[in-house]
Amino acid sequence: GAGVSQSPSNKVTEKGKDVELRCDPISGHTALYWYRQRLGQGLEFLIYFQGNSAPDKSGLPSDRFSAERTGESVSTLTIQRTQQEDSAVYLCASSRDQVQETQYFGPGTRLLVL
Amino acid sequence: SQQGEEDPQALSIQEGENATMNCSYKTSINNLQWYRQNSGRGLVHLILIRSNEREKHSGRLRVTLDTSKKSSSLLITASRAADTASYFCATDESGNTGKLIFGQGTTLQVKP
Repeated sequence: GAGVSQSPSNKVTEKGKDVELRCDPISGHTALYWYRQRLGQGLEFLIYFQGNSAPDKSGLPSDRFSAERTGESVSTLTIQRTQQEDSAVYLCASSRDQVQETQYFGPGTRLLVL
Repeated sequence: SQQGEEDPQALSIQEGENATMNCSYKTSINNLQWYRQNSGRGLVHLILIRSNEREKHSGRLRVTLDTSKKSSSLLITASRAADTASYFCATDESGNTGKLIFGQGTTLQVKP
């Protein structure tokens, strides 16, 4: 079946602008995760959804970052007033459930803030 | 805090040789997962080993887990040029929500 998809693939924006990144998880997966990966680094956890609620937002780096999920499906990560340090690849993953399950990753959105 | 730490950071071998990567972590875990990443984009799940397992195989991959030492190793046997990628370990901490804590990764280059 279809895997996790993300859009856009690449996004170039100017400092101070808002951006929205979209994630479509695998159908039927109740858990959805957002991670950020800076160049040459490992992944940093941002936020996790179980259904439409977000019990763990501990990784969001600042209040400029927010995310929502609707219909237990699509999720949107919004970054307001982007800064150059927000430049990274933003990866989304989904799993059948939140505990002890394999996470399947999308291809990521490469964000460049000029 | 950084949970998984991979060693070595970079590894270069000839095709046909075996590659071994190690991962250490700090806290109790539910499971440990290994992922491969090509060209800095999406991650491909390789193998998941649970905390009550000691060894797992999948094709040319062999993963071991030593919870007493809080370490894991990934062995790729008979490597191929197509195995060239970055490899990450990720831990799913006990009692956690399933979020993964990633290490910095090992960059593997397999020369033809």
